[in-house]
Amino acid sequence: GAGVSQSPSNKVTEKGKDVELRCDPISGHTALYWYRQRLGQGLEFLIYFQGNSAPDKSGLPSDRFSAERTGESVSTLTIQRTQQEDSAVYLCASSLDAAGKSYEQYFGPGTRLTVT
Amino acid sequence: AQSVTQLDSHVSVSEGTPVLLRCNYSSSYSPSLFWYVQHPNKGLQLLLKYTSAATLVKGINGFEAEFKKSETSFHLTKPSAHMSDAAEYFCVVSLYNAGNMLTFGGGTRLMVKP
Repeated sequence: GAGVSQSPSNKVTEKGKDVELRCDPISGHTALYWYRQRLGQGLEFLIYFQGNSAPDKSGLPSDRFSAERTGESVSTLTIQRTQQEDSAVYLCASSLDAAGKSYEQYFGPGTRLTVT
Repeated sequence: AQSVTQLDSHVSVSEGTPVLLRCNYSSSYSPSLFWYVQHPNKGLQLLLKYTSAATLVKGINGFEAEFKKSETSFHLTKPSAHMSDAAEYFCVVSLYNAGNMLTFGGGTRLMVKP
């Protein structure tokens, strides 16, 4: 595909339910990032995958959040037992190999999560 | 650690007048700096980036930014605002030795009056 894609574009869920968000990075991009954007705020880093290395989970806000990536392709972000404060836009980005250089991150359109 | 401060949450200009969006950063190492733009209901788009080459960086749509190490600033400017420039702008810093994780400023909403 031409860019990073995310699904679903919108998700409304009830408090306490689990949700799964999907990201398809640009083909050939080995680095993948998840960010969260609360209403009217900048982006917060959540987690970072680089090739087959262990992911950097330092931005995950609680143990209810987890993410997986299959090789250098699709990633899923899972939020268990959702809370109203989880309502936000979740953005995925991918870039070329991040080791030693600063490459541009290309962002997907995001998934807007609303927890009622 | 690295951080970014955008000094104005809202900036309003008239069409045809200059734009200045201010950004200060802090970083323990030589950072890479970016400006991203986010139009309503659209994804983030890279405007320009600084990666230790020329300190004056030119981007898309007539925007440019100057890296000033002594002032730890990376302000975004445009000589003449256009209505289509109305959007949210984010100043961003990253460190290659921190996995290029991006640290975003809080954003500046630019409004352009006719």
